[in-house]
Amino acid sequence: QVQLVQSGAEVKKPGASVKVSCKASGYTFTGYYMHWVRQAPGQGLEWMGWINPNSGGTNYAQKFQGWVTMTRDTSISTAYMELSRLRSDDTAVYYCARDQGDKWGEYQLIFDYWGQGTLVTVSS
Amino acid sequence: DIQMTQSPSTLSASVGDRVTITCRASQSISSWLAWYQQKPGKAPKLLIYKASSLESGVPSRFSGSGSGTEFTLTISSLQPDDFATYYCQQYNSYSPIFGGGTKVEIK
Repeated sequence: QVQLVQSGAEVKKPGASVKVSCKASGYTFTGYYMHWVRQAPGQGLEWMGWINPNSGGTNYAQKFQGWVTMTRDTSISTAYMELSRLRSDDTAVYYCARDQGDKWGEYQLIFDYWGQGTLVTVSS
Repeated sequence: DIQMTQSPSTLSASVGDRVTITCRASQSISSWLAWYQQKPGKAPKLLIYKASSLESGVPSRFSGSGSGTEFTLTISSLQPDDFATYYCQQYNSYSPIFGGGTKVEIK
């Protein structure tokens, strides 16, 4: 069965960086785009961007350009999301989510499997 | 950017009730709309995509309809497991956007 297992909670100081991992299993990692979505406490969902695990190509939401970096290691079926220059309003749960994909292996921007979430707390 | 507006923001209902949640887009998104269910402390779960296609394994009491700018998620007979927050999400543009959510509470 498809599983996405994320790394544990992090506490960071303002200005620092955080790198969250998402290990995939139960499917061909390089066959489906991976997205990152965040949720501030008590708030809604915010899409951050995607990575194509096959090519390494990325597309970031305009808000996060220059600030987020998504990478992957295909040898261990793991995607990563690094957010730099953290501020207190970056405190949120960060989710990885697999794209449903289509029969040609392209993205559809539909999120069919999600990781359990990683709480990142930014506090001085 | 396309804006997604859900209503109501909170809904109180009883087990067995028929529940309808509305999602409106600021411009036409054809049928490129998904619905998710989220329970406290858990990740969202995909229920519906392409406005009305039921995701595999999702109970048939959930249904979606609409196109263009107005969409609905209907739960035909609310079950105890359905008390949660529901989000719509458009994927017509390159940047998916979620609605603000509708919390379904026990009446």
